[in-house]
Amino acid sequence: DADVTQTPRNRITKTGKRIMLECSQTKGHDRMYWYRQDPGLGLRLIYYSFDVKDINKGEISDGYSVSRQAQAKFSLSLESAIPNQTALYFCATSDSRIRVTQPQHFGDGTRLSIL
Amino acid sequence: DAKTTQPPSMDCAEGRAANLPCNHSTISGNEYVYWYRQIHSQGPQYIIHGLKNNETNEMASLIITEDRKSSTLILPHATLRDTAVYYCIVRVASGGGADGLTFGKGTHLIIQP
Repeated sequence: DADVTQTPRNRITKTGKRIMLECSQTKGHDRMYWYRQDPGLGLRLIYYSFDVKDINKGEISDGYSVSRQAQAKFSLSLESAIPNQTALYFCATSDSRIRVTQPQHFGDGTRLSIL
Repeated sequence: DAKTTQPPSMDCAEGRAANLPCNHSTISGNEYVYWYRQIHSQGPQYIIHGLKNNETNEMASLIITEDRKSSTLILPHATLRDTAVYYCIVRVASGGGADGLTFGKGTHLIIQP
């Protein structure tokens, strides 16, 4: 979905480095999410944000932090990357203001490899 | 959120209807059934959702049994581009509590030419 843009698309880095993955959206949605996907598995929720001042931990938040800089921007940081954080990372958005059942819209993902 | 069970893989001939089943026997009265698909490591794509009535949109139809313990996603005329992993997800409507989608392993649908 071109309305949800993730950068970078691919990143290779070394253990111990600090990494930031960025997500921006033009959909005007209030809610944003970060997920990770490991090979052969479904997505797992890392963090989510209902609005700029509301950040919540997901299922697997250890080792990650997030920042909601604006309604349209939600970044994910790995303060000290480790190899088992090698995965495909997805950002998603949803708009709760119309109906609470609004579906989530995903970006194209960031493939992160930690050596 | 209630647990879902899906077959790991299915085949379907191009041009035929693809029927993907999902069991959710522990679904609660306020939980919706959502379907997403993921094409070859791209971001998941929303397909359809429903509560208890059957639903249809431009992509698919969703049939939910009367007891709501199972559902079927129907792609009426499958094309090669419908080859993907399809996820059935059951969750309450978001409203201030825990949010996010719980993805299982889904069904890998392969459309055969």
